Amino acid sequence: SQELEQSPQSLIVQEGKNLTINCTSSKTLYGLYWYKQKYGEGLIFLMMLQKGGEEKSHEKITAKLDEKKQQSSLHITASQPSHAGIYLCGADRGVSGNRDDKIIFGKGTRLHILP
Amino acid sequence: SQTIHQWPATLVQPVGSPLSLECTVEGTSNPNLYWYRQAAGRGLQLLFYSVGIGQISSEVPQNLSASRPQDRQFILSSKKLLLSDSGFYLCAWSPDRRSNYGYTFGSGTRLTVV
Repeated sequence: SQELEQSPQSLIVQEGKNLTINCTSSKTLYGLYWYKQKYGEGLIFLMMLQKGGEEKSHEKITAKLDEKKQQSSLHITASQPSHAGIYLCGADRGVSGNRDDKIIFGKGTRLHILP
Repeated sequence: SQTIHQWPATLVQPVGSPLSLECTVEGTSNPNLYWYRQAAGRGLQLLFYSVGIGQISSEVPQNLSASRPQDRQFILSSKKLLLSDSGFYLCAWSPDRRSNYGYTFGSGTRLTVV
């Protein structure tokens, strides 16, 4: 079955610094989702990537999907305290690209921002 | 607009007691519904999903069960809780034809079994 590995597990960054979180899949990704979770709350959708080489940005957060569609990265520029939380990548589980299949998630990356 | 409600927010239950967590969705019809559990060190694990009333699929063998008595209502239950059932339970929904926005999640229930 498909698995998602996220790295690092935890990250402590000085406010204003840039950072990158990675998500690697054992199989081809047909739909890759990035979510953010504040501690003890639900998940908030950030971005969805589908095509090899695709890149999307929202405010200071940029996500990319590599050409082989097996790795995605989330990059935050000039981090702020509001960026703190848990970042999770999720992927459509279907190996056939069936968009109706379920989303599986990585274990998440805990991001702490030091003032 | 669509909204998802999940309650209670926090629950402390003794081992062996029953459990009932409820999730409702408003502003849409025939949603796909999901129950996930988030436990320390184990990430977000899919427990159940439903594509329609009375249709439940289980992902992980366990002492939990799910029901969907109405189109927009999803219930997670247990007859006897175990210590290992502790965790953060999240309900989610998606349109029956998946959009580019993945799932919309509820605010979660923190369950502590003591």
